[in-house]
Amino acid sequence: RKEVEQDPGPFNVPEGATVAFNCTYSNSASQSFFWYRQDCRKEPKLLMSVYSSGNEDGRFTAQLNRASQYISLLIRDSKLSDSATYLCVVRGNTGKLIFGQGTTLQVKP
Amino acid sequence: SAVISQKPSRDICQRGTSLTIQCQVDSQVTMMFWYRQQPGQSLTLIATANQGSEATYESGFVIDKFPISRPNLTFSTLTVSNMSPEDSSIYLCSVVLGYEQFFGPGTRLTVL
Repeated sequence: RKEVEQDPGPFNVPEGATVAFNCTYSNSASQSFFWYRQDCRKEPKLLMSVYSSGNEDGRFTAQLNRASQYISLLIRDSKLSDSATYLCVVRGNTGKLIFGQGTTLQVKP
Repeated sequence: SAVISQKPSRDICQRGTSLTIQCQVDSQVTMMFWYRQQPGQSLTLIATANQGSEATYESGFVIDKFPISRPNLTFSTLTVSNMSPEDSSIYLCSVVLGYEQFFGPGTRLTVL
């Protein structure tokens, strides 16, 4: 079993749609959680950190459920510019980042 | 934030040769990380490079294949030795600054 698992995608949605990505992690001792965005042929960049209380940044909402070891990312009112690969990332108890395989989102006009 | 540059940005190499990738950061950092991203895959940590000590390698990666140098707090190199086509990948260096981890633009390596 992979340490961080994500919906494989790809997700193809029209502009304006709401889309949700899910992620599960296997190590209950994991300490920090993130969503990174990676554009084609570019390096990953931090989109947002994920907290147990849930957090929102504009059209993006991230949720963490420690009991279920589950992380989600919700994107509302999708834009063409949201097209990218979204990486679920977990910092384990060793301090290292562990990356999920990524979920590809394609927003179409 | 951290500004990270890598050289070369891409290269095409013959099997059996070696390539050294350079990573320069605009801030002094204790740890630098080297990742590999194979085609269609996510990132895998190769090793952690600490200034003044040996790099720490992850399972499946060895120093003979991926020697690393860390001569100061802003610079590191990763060498991919005795390359084979399976080494074709993007190699990224990364640093932690504050609570955020930043990545370099990557070196796209193709081994023929």
